[in-house]
Amino acid sequence: SQELEQSPQSLIVQEGKNLTINCTSSKTLYGLYWYKQKYGEGLIFLMMLQKGGEEKSHEKITAKLDEKKQQSSLHITASQPSHAGIYLCGAGLGSNYKLTFGKGTLLTVNP
Amino acid sequence: NAGVMQNPRHLVRRRGQEARLRCSPMKGHSHVYWYRQLPEEGLKFMVYLQKENIIDESGMPKERFSAEFPKEGPSILRIQQVVRGDSAAYFCASSPGRLNTEAFFGQGTRLTVV
Repeated sequence: SQELEQSPQSLIVQEGKNLTINCTSSKTLYGLYWYKQKYGEGLIFLMMLQKGGEEKSHEKITAKLDEKKQQSSLHITASQPSHAGIYLCGAGLGSNYKLTFGKGTLLTVNP
Repeated sequence: NAGVMQNPRHLVRRRGQEARLRCSPMKGHSHVYWYRQLPEEGLKFMVYLQKENIIDESGMPKERFSAEFPKEGPSILRIQQVVRGDSAAYFCASSPGRLNTEAFFGQGTRLTVV
């Protein structure tokens, strides 16, 4: 099974709707990273979370880390077509330098 | 401050040729990581380097693949005698330290072996 599970695998929402993407680890987390990737392009760094209970926001995107549950959630408020893409979570699992990635969540935002 | 620069963006090689992928980390970053993204698979760690040192190459195939990060110049991922299965997107990331710092990725090099 995957060490880092993302859910859902894909998501289609109407513009203006809120949505949440989850990332669950089977191991202890050493830092949790969220990236966004457009098809065929590179990864855009969104946020890094280190401590349990930590919450960060950038524009309409908020990420939280629940260390006890070994889980992070990414929440987008009032989604826009520009939010469409693949969201990837990456974490150091038992390592303080090697990132393990989930398979990604494909987000489609319909105008 | 330019981001992580990778070149070329696209590379086509015939089977048996060599592929050289370059990565210039962000200014001030001395830690470089290479990842490979295969279709239908996630990003997989290949190798972690600091200047002139390979720290962890546990994700690198044992044969044909090598990486370096010289004192001067970019980090190089070298694939000798490429095969069709090497076709993938190769990403480089850099950070100023280990995983207590932000890690930024380049745009990737898309290698196609024909």
